[in-house]
Amino acid sequence: GNSVTQMEGPVTLSEEAFLTINCTYTATGYPSLFWYVQYPGEGLQLLLKATKADDKGSNKGFEATYRKETTSFHLEKGSVQVSDSAVYFCALRNSGGYQKVTFGTGTKLQVIP
Amino acid sequence: SQTIHQWPATLVQPVGSPLSLECTVEGTSNPNLYWYRQAAGRGLQLLFYSVGIGQISSEVPQNLSASRPQDRQFILSSKKLLLSDSGFYLCAWTTPRTGGLASYEQYFGPGTRLTVT
Repeated sequence: GNSVTQMEGPVTLSEEAFLTINCTYTATGYPSLFWYVQYPGEGLQLLLKATKADDKGSNKGFEATYRKETTSFHLEKGSVQVSDSAVYFCALRNSGGYQKVTFGTGTKLQVIP
Repeated sequence: SQTIHQWPATLVQPVGSPLSLECTVEGTSNPNLYWYRQAAGRGLQLLFYSVGIGQISSEVPQNLSASRPQDRQFILSSKKLLLSDSGFYLCAWTTPRTGGLASYEQYFGPGTRLTVT
């Protein structure tokens, strides 16, 4: 079956530090890959996506590249801000079925001034 | 544009009481609808999904049930709440599959925080 593995959190960084949150996946076929962000007390928001190998999703300074050879979709940002503090979820949706999305367990990011 | 609503936003219920959470979507037709639960500090657990009116699929056996009485309405219910039902409940929707390579990402509502006492 499908699965998503994220690095354990929490991740604590100083403002303006470089961020990497690792995500690897297991899936059949050609899944679409997503990063969602959840701010405290809120629902999930789509941060970025990639639908095929070598695609790079980007939004709000965050980037992730769909690497089929390593089955990875690592999230990066060059300079984090305090406002980036949130929980980040990596997810995949396979090309078949009822569009069920498989989520990772989430990585909490805390950025300190 | 499409929007998704959930209510109530927060709920405190005693053990053994009934539950009804509602989710509605605006601005789209025939969406696929989903209920997730997020326990404190945990990831997302898919509870139910629906591809049409009256069509409900359950992902895990539990104390909860779901119904879809209208195209854009999805209800999560329980006859008798357990302490373990506490959590953050999220409704999500996605466009129905029409083929091609579209990503069909899910869009989430604001969530309902349920505390069972």
